[in-house]
Amino acid sequence: EIVLTQSPDFRSVTPKEKVTITCRASQSIGSSLHWYQQKPDQSPKLLIKYASQSISGVPSRFSGSGSGTDFTLTINSLETEDAATYYCHQSYNLPITFGQGTRLEIK
Amino acid sequence: EVQLVESGGDLVKPGGSLRLSCAASGFTFNDAWMDWVRQAPGKGLEWVGRIKSKTDGGTTDYAAPVKGRFTISRDDSKNTLYLQMNSLKGEDTAVYYCFTERDGSGIYYPGYWGQGTLVTVSS
Repeated sequence: EIVLTQSPDFRSVTPKEKVTITCRASQSIGSSLHWYQQKPDQSPKLLIKYASQSISGVPSRFSGSGSGTDFTLTINSLETEDAATYYCHQSYNLPITFGQGTRLEIK
Repeated sequence: EVQLVESGGDLVKPGGSLRLSCAASGFTFNDAWMDWVRQAPGKGLEWVGRIKSKTDGGTTDYAAPVKGRFTISRDDSKNTLYLQMNSLKGEDTAVYYCFTERDGSGIYYPGYWGQGTLVTVSS
């Protein structure tokens, strides 16, 4: 099973700040890495797929990069509505696995 | 508009059974690969399993914790995905989401998720 480890687990940030969340895979997964945002009592929302592919309707301040084992989700100029938990997810092989999540709090 | 609507969540006793449904609309369901993911209260996301389209063999795959107890099926005539859960345990308590791994156009991860349905296993 591929283990995904996100860092940090939690971060408190201010609006307009730039935030970087990392996801490290226990083995190489190519670009089969996707990012989700989940707000309380909502289902996950796809932000980025295949490491860096943008998703229609997602604000351009969200971007992704990386390949192999190390991946990054960047949020430029954070907005208050970005308070949420963020998850990475690998689809390289089964079982599909998720990172443990990174909770962003907006000060 | 694409919609995935789960239903069937309930309070059930340990050892009991429950069937969840996920009604799909707005895309070609019969060619889609569909997955179930769950989230225990206050915890992260855990993949449960998936079913491919019948044209791709209709095969199913499961996560280790549910293999042999849970069964994923589909009724393409009703555009509905199912999760039959047997021998339920307390650790199966979670919100269960369905999502589309591959849509009918062959696009992987189009971002279709349901709103979730809560399963509580408790005596």
